[in-house]
Amino acid sequence: SQTIHQWPATLVQPVGSPLSLECTVEGTSNPNLYWYRQAAGRGLQLLFYSVGIGQISSEVPQNLSASRPQDRQFILSSKKLLLSDSGFYLCACYSVGDTQYFGPGTRLTVL
Amino acid sequence: GENVEQHPSTLSVQEGDSAVIKCTYSDSASNYFPWYKQELGKGPQLIIDIRSNVGEKKDQRIAVTLNKTAKHFSLHITETQPEDSAVYFCAASISGGADGLTFGKGTHLIIQP
Repeated sequence: SQTIHQWPATLVQPVGSPLSLECTVEGTSNPNLYWYRQAAGRGLQLLFYSVGIGQISSEVPQNLSASRPQDRQFILSSKKLLLSDSGFYLCACYSVGDTQYFGPGTRLTVL
Repeated sequence: GENVEQHPSTLSVQEGDSAVIKCTYSDSASNYFPWYKQELGKGPQLIIDIRSNVGEKKDQRIAVTLNKTAKHFSLHITETQPEDSAVYFCAASISGGADGLTFGKGTHLIIQP
């Protein structure tokens, strides 16, 4: 079964600073990959998903972007963080005929 | 797009009793309905899922029922234990999960000893 790694686990950044969160997957090939955000005490909101290298679909307009430079690597970025970007960021993975599995998450606090 | 409503937001039950969490969805094309359990500070873990060609699925103390006509599905936990305390999320997808999931807002389940 697949294993999802995310880093860093926690991050505190000032407003206006850049962001890079990384997700890597083991144990599967050519998965769909996803970035979700979870605000405090709320459900999960899908931000981006990717069906292959270089293929990114954006679900909500924001100052975040995503990239998939390798089959099992997914990166979430921002050039300038906003206070509203604070939250718990989760990477997920899906393989055909299976379901979505989630990584351990990154807790981002923007001050 | 799809909208998923989940109730209740908080549920407190005595240890050993049953717990039921209900969700409704808006898009009749949805065909996949997973349930996740999330413990504090961790990523959600899949506990059970159901596809639209099935009305009920059971795994030990956990069961899920689906009513496609009414567009609602429910999670049933029997003989609750302290380790069942967590936040539970329902979700729906029109693509079997491939294009992403639409989540409910979660239910905080509290098991009273």
